[in-house]
Amino acid sequence: QQQVKQSPQSLIVQKGGISIINCAYENTAFDYFPWYQQFPGKGPALLIAIRPDVSEKKEGRFTISFNKSAKQFSLHIMDSQPGDSATYFCAASIGSSGSARQLTFGSGTQLTVLP
Amino acid sequence: SAVISQKPSRDICQRGTSLTIQCQVDSQVTMMFWYRQQPGQSLTLIATANQGSEATYESGFVIDKFPISRPNLTFSTLTVSNMSPEDSSIYLCSVDSGFGQGTRLTVV
Repeated sequence: QQQVKQSPQSLIVQKGGISIINCAYENTAFDYFPWYQQFPGKGPALLIAIRPDVSEKKEGRFTISFNKSAKQFSLHIMDSQPGDSATYFCAASIGSSGSARQLTFGSGTQLTVLP
Repeated sequence: SAVISQKPSRDICQRGTSLTIQCQVDSQVTMMFWYRQQPGQSLTLIATANQGSEATYESGFVIDKFPISRPNLTFSTLTVSNMSPEDSSIYLCSVDSGFGQGTRLTVV
């Protein structure tokens, strides 16, 4: 599996602030880039995903920015809330369809939002 | 998106024994994926389970240790065989970018 590098390992943000998590990939064949949120004791939940034909995707307070030439993508959480405190994983896949997505994960970021 | 159910949700097992984890999906899918998440770590793909054919294993994972069955388009099992404490992890079934709640395995 090709590597996906994620940073930072941990992040502490004040309530109302912006949380930014970055990922970089190597394999230019990747065509699907999801972000997952995982709470302790739970499986990862798909948060938002982007394809390389767009540079930005926004869903509520969550935005993915994608830079194809730099092979980087990032997750921005606006107006961060204590309930956002979780581990976030970026991932990438080469998938011809939804059911065929074999995911390569980043190392994860532990986000803590202080009240 | 598909609803993915895993059983058991957690188990504590003795060294040297085996545990079979079940994954049930509420719709028919071609591929099901099994991942391992070691404590405090990211997710690593174990194998891809295709209905009607042998599972495809990733580097570092072998069929004798992690046999997989895929009897139909909505169900799969992963067995963790001859367990050691190093197998203590969360095992996750995935379909269509979604995940089950995972099976938290502790080997003592």
